[in-house]
Parts: sequence; C-alpha cells; structure tokens
Amino acid sequence: GNSVTQMEGPVTLSEEAFLTINCTYTATGYPSLFWYVQYPGEGLQLLLKATKADDKGSNKGFEATYRKETTSFHLEKGSVQVSDSAVYFCAPPGGTGGFKTIFGAGTRLFVKA
Amino acid sequence: EAGVVQSPRYKIIEKKQPVAFWCNPISGHNTLYWYLQNLGQGPELLIRYENEEAVDDSQLPKDRFSAERLKGVDSTLKIQPAELGDSAVYLCASSLGGNAYEQYFGPGTRLTVT
Repeated sequence: GNSVTQMEGPVTLSEEAFLTINCTYTATGYPSLFWYVQYPGEGLQLLLKATKADDKGSNKGFEATYRKETTSFHLEKGSVQVSDSAVYFCAPPGGTGGFKTIFGAGTRLFVKA
Repeated sequence: EAGVVQSPRYKIIEKKQPVAFWCNPISGHNTLYWYLQNLGQGPELLIRYENEEAVDDSQLPKDRFSAERLKGVDSTLKIQPAELGDSAVYLCASSLGGNAYEQYFGPGTRLTVT
C-alpha cells in the first residue's frame, strides 16, 4: 500500500549546521506531501507542503522538493538555530490516497548552541 | 480566524471513570480527525469524519471509545471506562479535506488516568 517513511532520530546538530531529514514515499500517483513540526510542549503545525511533483515547499528557512525520480521529499535547512529544536513529521494527505498511516514517530532534532 | 478549539486542556480521572473531550474545528472544514499521542510518539489516528460521517474508525477501540459529530461541525470523543493505558494527549485536527490540504491541530487534551 501507499506509505511515507522518514529517517529515525534523534538528530543532534550544532548551531549553524546544515540539516537534512530524509523522507521517501511509495504511492500510486503523486499525492501532496507535508512536513509538520511540533515544538516542545506545543501542538503540531504545518511547516511546508508540496502539492505536485517537482514543487518546492519552503518556510522559515526550511525547504523540501517533491522529487518523483527518487520518490523523496527531504527536509533541508542551511543553518539551523537552537529554536529549530523540535520533532519533524513527514506526512501524506490526511486519510486520502490509500495511505493507512498519516504520522510516524517523527524525527527529533536537537540543536546545540 | 479562530483555530481548532479543544476542551478541556487537562483532565485527571480515576480508572474506570468516563471522560469526554470536545472539539470545535475551523469554520468550513469538513474533515475532522481525532488522534491519540503518547509521549515521544507521533499522533495515531483514532477516527476521521467527513462532515458527519465517520469514514475511518478502524483504529478506534470501540469497546470503550466512542465519538460523534452529529451536525458535521463540532465533535465529542468519549472513553468509558477509562484505563490506565489511556493516559495520553488527545488531539483534534481539521482540514478542508482532499489531497492538497493540510491539517490544523488543536492544542490537545492531556488525559491522566490514575
């Protein structure tokens, strides 16, 4: 069936380091893809999205490109800050497109000053 | 525009007692989700509504959990009786639905069963 898989954490980086969190998908067709973020003690919120192949989503210095050739939607940021410490979730659409699971465990990012 | 509203924010009950959570989605959002989130884990879908119809309740433990969305707007999730293992954060989210639209999450209800 359709699925989204992201790298396990935790990921620990120093401030200003480059961040990549891998996300790959298996799907028939090209569903929209989303990155959500959950800061400590807060609820989930959308970070960015891409609704079709070759789209690039961006927000707060984060980017992700929907690459159909590699079936990937990796999250990247050129220079992380301590305030980026959070849990990041790569997710398919909520319940459509034949995906049984919407959220996995996420990837926890720790950024050290 | 108001976001997804949930109440209560916190609830402490003894095991075997009933508990109910309420959610008011963003106006115009036809799709409503209830999730359970354990500490250090991602949200796990309990039930998804399209308007007033439950279109995916396969992960809802129906022996003790129930949910309703009678008029296709706000929704209630109930547990009766609660067990110690039900301690978690219960999240409500809403969406315009369909492939292209993201989910908007409420702040959650933190349930502690003692």
